Amino acid sequence: GAVVSQHPSRVICKSGTSVKIECRSLDFQATTMFWYRQFPKQSLMLMATSNEGSKATYEQGVEKDKFLINHASLTLSTLTVTSAHPEDSSFYICSAPDRVVNTEAFFGQGTRLTVV
Amino acid sequence: GNSVTQMEGPVTLSEEAFLTINCTYTATGYPSLFWYVQYPGEGLQLLLKATKADDKGSNKGFEATYRKETTSFHLEKGSVQVSDSAVYFCALNWNQAGTALIFGKGTTLSVSS
Repeated sequence: GAVVSQHPSRVICKSGTSVKIECRSLDFQATTMFWYRQFPKQSLMLMATSNEGSKATYEQGVEKDKFLINHASLTLSTLTVTSAHPEDSSFYICSAPDRVVNTEAFFGQGTRLTVV
Repeated sequence: GNSVTQMEGPVTLSEEAFLTINCTYTATGYPSLFWYVQYPGEGLQLLLKATKADDKGSNKGFEATYRKETTSFHLEKGSVQVSDSAVYFCALNWNQAGTALIFGKGTTLSVSS
């Protein structure tokens, strides 16, 4: 089946630094990718929709300038957490819709970000 | 708004026990309903789905029935195994290309031998 690879799986960074998370579709093209965030004991919440060749669409309450999304190719979307703070510590996960069965999606392994 | 509510975990069971993880949803219209599973260190995988009322999704011994009257999609398995230990997510989606899933909080299942 289709595979989405997300990297890194875990990252620890210092406050004020930036962290880039990559999401790759390995055997299919993804014109759209979704970025989710999960705080402890909370739902996976949609942060933004990444669109190849155009600007990302952010959900209400998500800071565009803090969470930079780039979808430069049909197989790669990146999420950069800029000037990270401890409250940004969370589990981030990307997904790409299944273009054959349009109600389903393939997910990356997720990234556990810890900001110290 | 649209939302998914699933039972709080963790759920701890002995091998061969019966499993139920409750999931209810709030939505206008008729969404598709899903259960995803996340094994340790891996991404979410689709476990089963149902796209209309009274449909039953099933896979790997797990079942869930789309109940419109109770807006529920409870996950069940008659006899769990240690290898079923994972986090289970209930989710809904609309039958439109490229739309994102709405998830419940996830329920951690731990099965001991």
